[in-house]
Amino acid sequence: DAKTTQPPSMDCAEGRAANLPCNHSTISGNEYVYWYRQIHSQGPQYIIHGLKNNETNEMASLIITEDRKSSTLILPHATLRDTAVYYCIVRYTGTASKLTFGTGTRLQVTL
Amino acid sequence: DTAVSQTPKYLVTQMGNDKSIKCEQNLGHDTMYWYKQDSKKFLKIMFSYNNKELIINETVPNRFSPKSPDKAHLNLHINSLELGDSAVYFCASSQGEGNSPLHFGNGTRLTVT
Repeated sequence: DAKTTQPPSMDCAEGRAANLPCNHSTISGNEYVYWYRQIHSQGPQYIIHGLKNNETNEMASLIITEDRKSSTLILPHATLRDTAVYYCIVRYTGTASKLTFGTGTRLQVTL
Repeated sequence: DTAVSQTPKYLVTQMGNDKSIKCEQNLGHDTMYWYKQDSKKFLKIMFSYNNKELIINETVPNRFSPKSPDKAHLNLHINSLELGDSAVYFCASSQGEGNSPLHFGNGTRLTVT
């Protein structure tokens, strides 16, 4: 699986959009970009994933650049409950594929 | 209803003991996983089972033995516990091995003294 690079930490004011970047310059054509988050003392929670096109669901939006070498997770209106570690993962979805978690970005949402 | 449930939530035991952690999922998924999160918060896959068959086994000591009695359960048995086994263990499940997202339990915090 391709490696990813994320900033170690970010701050965001409550109510504002949180934009979390991820670089995955060695991604290959059959690898998806996944985002998970881990709120303190809980298991990781799936947020969203995509291959080429931008994706949106009830939690977030995922913007993938045209060359697919980077992506941005957008939480449109961050709340205090969005404070967590956010993991960007690139995953090949063939047989026996696996999620490999990096160090992620610690997002702190403040009043 | 909890989708992926693990028991116990906390486990404190002494070196050399044998212990088990249980995991059950009610999502109807056919693939289950065990992940380990160490003190530095790195989350690493240990095992993966698909339809009760082992498909991923990451260089884990053979003191760790997963057992899947059916698709909805994946238990983790650990023999001769060592201090370095102290960590949080997460169970997860997904439908198939493709791009289906993983659903994680809330973890079992194992402390070996």
